[in-house]
Parts: sequence; C-alpha cells; structure tokens
Amino acid sequence: DADVTQTPRNRITKTGKRIMLECSQTKGHDRMYWYRQDPGLGLRLIYYSFDVKDINKGEISDGYSVSRQAQAKFSLSLESAIPNQTALYFCATSDLDGSYYTFGSGTRLTVV
Amino acid sequence: QKEVEQDPGPLSVPEGAIVSLNCTYSNSAFQYFMWYRQYSRKGPELLMYTYSSGNKEDGRFTAQVDKSSKYISLFIRDSQPSDSATYLCAMGFSGGYNKLIFGAGTRLAVHP
Repeated sequence: DADVTQTPRNRITKTGKRIMLECSQTKGHDRMYWYRQDPGLGLRLIYYSFDVKDINKGEISDGYSVSRQAQAKFSLSLESAIPNQTALYFCATSDLDGSYYTFGSGTRLTVV
Repeated sequence: QKEVEQDPGPLSVPEGAIVSLNCTYSNSAFQYFMWYRQYSRKGPELLMYTYSSGNKEDGRFTAQVDKSSKYISLFIRDSQPSDSATYLCAMGFSGGYNKLIFGAGTRLAVHP
C-alpha cells in the first residue's frame, strides 16, 4: 500500500456541488498538507495541519475547508465547487522537522 | 516577487546531454534545499536534499547550492528518457512551524 493514499483519483463535478477529497497516510506523521497544482503556478498550499487539533490556512484557502479526523486522515472539501477550482490536488505528510514531504498520487478534479 | 523563482521550461534535450535546472530565491534565511521529481500523473518525490552551500552528488545527479547568490541548481549527467519529468525545487527552515516553499517546476523531456 502507498504511504499516502488519495481518493478519488479523478472526479468530474458540476458547479455548485459540494465535494470531498480524502487523504490517509501510514507514515505516522503528525503533519499533513493539501496543495493544488496548476500549470505554470506550481504547488500552492491550501491548508495544513501540524497535529489533530491544529489546522491552519495556507495561501489559497478561500472556497475550501478541511477536517482532520485522526492523525492518519485529512480531508479537503469544496463547499460549492466553481470551474476555477479545476486542478490537480495533492495531499502530503512530513516529519516533525517539516523537511521530508511524502506526497500522494493526486486527485484530478474537473468542475464543469 | 515570489520567494522562489523557477523557469517553467519546457526543456527538451537529447539523450546523453547534461541538463541544468535552476532556482533563485529571495529569503536568505532558508536553511535547506531540495529537488523533487514528478512524473506525469504522479505526486512529487524527493530526489535530492541538502543543507549547506556547495555540491552534493548522487549518481548522475548533482545538487548545487550557492547561498551567497541565493541560487540552487540540479545537474543531470548522461540524461536518459526516464529522466523526463517535472522537477520542482523546494526550500525551507529547520524545525518549528515551518513549511516548504516550492518553485513552479521545470518540465524536462529527454528524447532518444
């Protein structure tokens, strides 16, 4: 099994729909992150969590929310999806030093 | 100005060429520097990691850091078609509540 598992791998949804992307990890790391990747813009941080009780906004959190259900699970929600949220979404974990990141395989989300 | 600047390419080279990938940064407080490799439809994976100025070699890959010029490079010798991927630089601070800052990524194609 992969260290960081994201579901679904691909999703097409309609404008206005609520959608949840899920992430689970077996690394035993406390730190988890959600990024989106767009061509030419690289990885942009949406939300991050340094432990189950600590959740913080990243640089582009508007329109997104997260839930840290357990050390191993961190989900990302789009409350009302819009077309410019079409992107590749990655979940990642890191050790306490915050240096070694392990990424999932990503979720390709299309909002039509 | 972005904290980390990376030429997005794309870069196309023949098999066997020496490839040079570069990033510049503005925050002199960054302490460690990394290169991630991302294959199509996969998450980024850590390729090289270094703390100090100078060179670090791993097989055909050499990571170079010049803190005085705020410039890092990744050299790939004897490039192979399997090196075709997007390469992202990343940098951060040690310990505490720190997060990596990623470059936009450079897309590399090595053709036979």
